[in-house]
Amino acid sequence: AQSVSQHNHHVILSEAASLELGCNYSYGGTVNLFWYVQYPGQHLQLLLKYFSGDPLVKGIKGFEAEFIKSKFSFNLRKPSVQWSDTAEYFCAVSNAGNMLTFGGGTRLMVKP
Amino acid sequence: GAVVSQHPSWVICKSGTSVKIECRSLDFQATTMFWYRQFPKQSLMLMATSNEGSKATYEQGVEKDKFLINHASLTLSTLTVTSAHPEDSSFYICSAFKAGTRVSRGETQYFGPGTRLLVL
Repeated sequence: AQSVSQHNHHVILSEAASLELGCNYSYGGTVNLFWYVQYPGQHLQLLLKYFSGDPLVKGIKGFEAEFIKSKFSFNLRKPSVQWSDTAEYFCAVSNAGNMLTFGGGTRLMVKP
Repeated sequence: GAVVSQHPSWVICKSGTSVKIECRSLDFQATTMFWYRQFPKQSLMLMATSNEGSKATYEQGVEKDKFLINHASLTLSTLTVTSAHPEDSSFYICSAFKAGTRVSRGETQYFGPGTRLLVL
């Protein structure tokens, strides 16, 4: 069975600080990797995904993530966060099927 | 775009009653829908996979007789929480795949806004 772990449960940053959220997964086969964001009171939205090809994936709103196969990691980064990035971020993994396994989520608070 | 709606957004019910939650794909057909449950401060946990025209597939530990899923059309799946108890209080989220797409091909599933259930 696959599992996903997000090491940071809560992160507090000031505006313009750089962000990196960790995500590690355990699964030996081919995986597809996702980062979703859930803004307060809103539904989950896809930030970015890795399917194949370039392991450095760029998503919406200036986010990017790097797939490092040897480390089973897919960390999310943003060079300069904004107050509007305050949200909960979920890493998710899927194997050959359609099922997504989510990490525990990271609540990010950006102080203005 | 691809929009998924859920109804109701909020529901409060008495213990022992049944509650039906609807998940609709508004502008696309969805052969597969997923039902998730999210407890406070926890991640989404997949409950079941709903396939149009066939029986749902439940994850281990999810009681199929308690959480009845019906996917009668390509745009609607329903989750009925039967004989609800306070421990069923949670945030229920559905997601849908466009017909003909698969996660394994890098396609995206679209999430509904969720339904918050409170059982008194």
